[in-house]
Amino acid sequence: DAGVIQSPRHEVTEMGQEVTLRCKPISGHDYLFWYRQTMMRGLELLIYFNNNVPIDDSGMPEDRFSAKMPNASFSTLKIQPSEPRDSAVYFCASSPQGGSYEQYFGPGTRLTVT
Amino acid sequence: ELKVEQNPLFLSMQEGKNYTIYCNYSTTSDRLYWYRQDPGKSLESLFVLLSNGAVKQEGRLMASLDTKARLSTLHITAAVHDLSATYFCALNTGNQFYFGTGTSLTVIP
Repeated sequence: DAGVIQSPRHEVTEMGQEVTLRCKPISGHDYLFWYRQTMMRGLELLIYFNNNVPIDDSGMPEDRFSAKMPNASFSTLKIQPSEPRDSAVYFCASSPQGGSYEQYFGPGTRLTVT
Repeated sequence: ELKVEQNPLFLSMQEGKNYTIYCNYSTTSDRLYWYRQDPGKSLESLFVLLSNGAVKQEGRLMASLDTKARLSTLHITAAVHDLSATYFCALNTGNQFYFGTGTSLTVIP
């Protein structure tokens, strides 16, 4: 398997622009997680899905952030409008059923908002 | 507020030495994880600890879990340079997943 795939790997955008990050989980995995990593705040869980349904979105920082999972093989994290403080590395991870929730992380998207 | 604290935050050790990284957490836990992150890279799952007293070993790394003490340890035996990385513990409780601050390990030849 190719592992978790994220695109783009790097994104540079101007403040106020819309940003869409994409994730393809490992085939057969039922859970999908979105994380943000910064030096100041470390790794934070933003939202996660089970069988395409959002389970917990309490980590989404504000209404500017939204996430969707239209099918089992694709998810998006959208920021609209983007702000400089959104600059971070965004990771997507997936996990199989079974209860252990062991997560397999994608390579991440490094977002810079100027 | 739930806390997942790791110590030390930074660790520099010589090759061949042993050391332990500690992960303390402030609530009951369903599951405890250890991950490794190389600079500029993603996270790699090392261990999943599911019950009190669980011990898992892979190569020079051994992880254990004491749910009564709310403590997990990652023990490094006879460190080698390839183990240089940042190590995170993470906690699952209910619907939430919390990561520790990370321990940056540098193994000096």
